[in-house]
Amino acid sequence: AQSVTQPDIHITVSEGASLELRCNYSYGATPYLFWYVQSPGQGLQLLLKYFSGDTLVQGIKGFEAEFKRSQSSFNLRKPSVHWSDAAEYFCAVGAPRTDKLIFGTGTRLQVFP
Amino acid sequence: GAVVSQHPSRVICKSGTSVKIECRSLDFQATTMFWYRQFPKQSLMLMATSNEGSKATYEQGVEKDKFLINHASLTLSTLTVTSAHPEDSSFYICSALRRLGGEDYGYTFGSGTRLTVV
Repeated sequence: AQSVTQPDIHITVSEGASLELRCNYSYGATPYLFWYVQSPGQGLQLLLKYFSGDTLVQGIKGFEAEFKRSQSSFNLRKPSVHWSDAAEYFCAVGAPRTDKLIFGTGTRLQVFP
Repeated sequence: GAVVSQHPSRVICKSGTSVKIECRSLDFQATTMFWYRQFPKQSLMLMATSNEGSKATYEQGVEKDKFLINHASLTLSTLTVTSAHPEDSSFYICSALRRLGGEDYGYTFGSGTRLTVV
């Protein structure tokens, strides 16, 4: 079974600073990896996903993520954070055989002006 | 783009009553939908996989008699919380699997339902 770990529960950054959110996964084969963002009381919006090919994935809102098989990681990055980026971020792993999508515990991002 | 409509967005019910939540894919067919539960400030916990025309598959620890799932058409899945109790109060989110061609696929999420049992 697949699983996801997001080591950072809460991260605070200043507006304009760079950001990296960590994600580690566990899955026996090549996983499908996703990053979602959730605003309070809302559903989830897809930021980016990785299925195969180029390990550096570009997403919406200036986000990117890099798949590193050797480290079982899929960290999310943004070079300059905006106040509107404050939200909850979830990394998720999908299993091709079952189609299930399993989420990490999430990282709450707070942005200070 | 793909849209999933989830209703109601908020519901308050009395303890012991049942509540039905609908998840509808508006512009694509979804043979597979998923139901998640999210406690405050926590992650999404997968409850069950809903397959059109067949019985839902429940995750370990989820009571199938408490959380009834019906996927009667390619665009609609429903979750019914039966004999609701205050501990069932939570945020419920549905997700529809969309095949995009080849091995590519995506998940479209509803906006969630806040259930409060009093």
